[in-house]
Amino acid sequence: DAGVTQSPTHLIKTRGQQVTLRCSPKSGHDTVSWYQQALGQGPQFIFQYYEEEERQRGNFPDRFSGHQFPNYSSELNVNALLLGDSALYLCASSGLRLAGGLREQYFGPGTRLTVT
Amino acid sequence: AQSVTQPDIHITVSEGASLELRCNYSYGATPYLFWYVQSPGQGLQLLLKYFSGDTLVQGIKGFEAEFKRSQSSFNLRKPSVHWSDAAEYFCARTYSGAGSYQLTFGKGTKLSVIP
Repeated sequence: DAGVTQSPTHLIKTRGQQVTLRCSPKSGHDTVSWYQQALGQGPQFIFQYYEEEERQRGNFPDRFSGHQFPNYSSELNVNALLLGDSALYLCASSGLRLAGGLREQYFGPGTRLTVT
Repeated sequence: AQSVTQPDIHITVSEGASLELRCNYSYGATPYLFWYVQSPGQGLQLLLKYFSGDTLVQGIKGFEAEFKRSQSSFNLRKPSVHWSDAAEYFCARTYSGAGSYQLTFGKGTKLSVIP
């Protein structure tokens, strides 16, 4: 049973550039959430996608956008990168119809983004 | 705003010793509480969760946690620590309210284990 997968593992970008990160949820899960984890901090919620729509959003600017595909996989896009966007980006999946519902979230290994 | 506090930034214990990691949450609607563990360079692994019912919950890897509403706490415990438990531990919460699915995390507690 494949867990949550993310790509790429590492990424280096320059300020002002745009980046796309990808996530495939755990088998049987239909909801994807994205989190940003800065160095030495706990993860912070960016947004959540279900049925190909953004359902909830944290306190992040519009430069952060996402998409969910019919196969439940998801992308996180960040435009006009800032140095402060350097972080580990974590994808978590959950299943509305599973016992834990959308609250029981399983995380992928993350994508380490470095902005120079 | 809901928040989670982990008072200890770094804890060091000897292998075989008992462990307790503290977590306090801001008072609010019925909380759903979680403990996650993160090894260096890795994602988060769910150790255990509390939704309702028995206030003492068992998790994977021999961990347990106790929910104490009167103290707004959800402390993580293990009777005997193994060297492989060295990692960072995060307490997280969400609410039972409709539409409240985002996890709010504490800043984490780094656990070091002395052989």
